[in-house]
Amino acid sequence: NAGVTQTPKFQVLKTGQSMTLQCAQDMNHNSMYWYRQDPGMGLRLIYYSASEGTTDKGEVPNGYNVSRLNKREFSLRLESAAPSQTSVYFCASSGGPLYSPLHFGNGTRLTVT
Amino acid sequence: GQQLNQSPQSMFIQEGEDVSMNCTSSSIFNTWLWYKQDPGEGPVLLIALYKAGELTSNGRLTAQFGITRKDSFLNISASIPSDVGIYFCAGQLIQGAQKLVFGQGTRLTINP
Repeated sequence: NAGVTQTPKFQVLKTGQSMTLQCAQDMNHNSMYWYRQDPGMGLRLIYYSASEGTTDKGEVPNGYNVSRLNKREFSLRLESAAPSQTSVYFCASSGGPLYSPLHFGNGTRLTVT
Repeated sequence: GQQLNQSPQSMFIQEGEDVSMNCTSSSIFNTWLWYKQDPGEGPVLLIALYKAGELTSNGRLTAQFGITRKDSFLNISASIPSDVGIYFCAGQLIQGAQKLVFGQGTRLTINP
């Protein structure tokens, strides 16, 4: 099983450019999440989707949008990238109650210059 | 927002030594989780704790859910090179939207 798959693994953007980070899970999980990881900050929740068709803001949603395309896929979009969005982005999914143990992808390392 | 204080931030130890790390919070949690992140990968769940006072082991790892519900501890016995990585605690709040809060991480380095 692939688990949670994120693409791309690495990306460099110029300030103002847009891009979409893709995430797919093959575990039939209901809930999916996007986190960002910055040095010394742990993992911070950007957006989550408790079920297909619903999305909600997390702790740091500004500058991002999400789409729960179907049960498997949850994408994160940066409309106008800023240097402050340089980070490692993790997608995760969970099968039981919200935040029941999370299964993470391997991350996307994004640099905005 | 909610804060978890995880310590130490980093550890440099010799292979074979025991390791202890902890997380404290000003808030009460009903679940404590411990994750490990290997370089270039996403975090993987090590241990989940659901009851105050609970002590749970997973091989050489032992974690405890503090009696006050505001802290948790992770111990690793007889460390080996593959224990290298970043360890995160995470607490799930007892009220509100059941948000999950992560600690800042403990980076473990082992000298062979």
